[in-house]
Amino acid sequence: EIVLTQSPELQSVTPKERVIITCRASQNIDISIHWYQEKPGQSPRLLINYASQTFSGVPSRFTGSGFGTEFTLTIDSLEPEDAGKYYCQQSHRPPWTFGQGTKVEIK
Amino acid sequence: QVQLVESGGGVVQPGGSLRLSCVASGVILSNFGMHWVRQAPGKGLEWVAFIRYDGSEKYYQDSVRGRFTISRDNPTNTLYLQMNSLGTEDTALYYCVKDVGTATIYFDHWGQGAVVSVSS
Repeated sequence: EIVLTQSPELQSVTPKERVIITCRASQNIDISIHWYQEKPGQSPRLLINYASQTFSGVPSRFTGSGFGTEFTLTIDSLEPEDAGKYYCQQSHRPPWTFGQGTKVEIK
Repeated sequence: QVQLVESGGGVVQPGGSLRLSCVASGVILSNFGMHWVRQAPGKGLEWVAFIRYDGSEKYYQDSVRGRFTISRDNPTNTLYLQMNSLGTEDTALYYCVKDVGTATIYFDHWGQGAVVSVSS
């Protein structure tokens, strides 16, 4: 099983700050990583697919990068509505797995 | 717009069974792979099962293989998850999730979830 480890587990930031979340894979997964946002009381929402492609309708302040085993999700100029939990997910090989999540809270 | 509506959740004793259903609207499910993803209380997301658009291939999380069965009825736009031999570790919110393609294995639409609680 491919294990995804996210860091940090909690990030407390002020609006307009930049947020960087890292996801490390236990083996090479090329660009088979996708990022989701989960807000309280809502279902997850796809933000980034294949490491760096911003999904339709997602604001341009969300960007992704990486290849192989290390990936990052960057939120430029954090907005208050960006508070929530962020997950990476790999589609390289079954069982398809998620990271444990990173909680972003607004100071 | 795409809507996925789960039903069939509830409270069941250990060893019991439940069948979840997911009815889709705004999309022709037969064009897409479908998944079940669960989230235990206070925990993260866990992929559970996948079925190809035509039902020809199925994959399962190791912890549910042999106990859970994913199936679909394309003419009625419905996805199912038959869950047998339930244990307390299966307590979770179960999401019906649509694949972006036939088997791209990332997810663009999620239902609101069905709560499954396994307790004596």
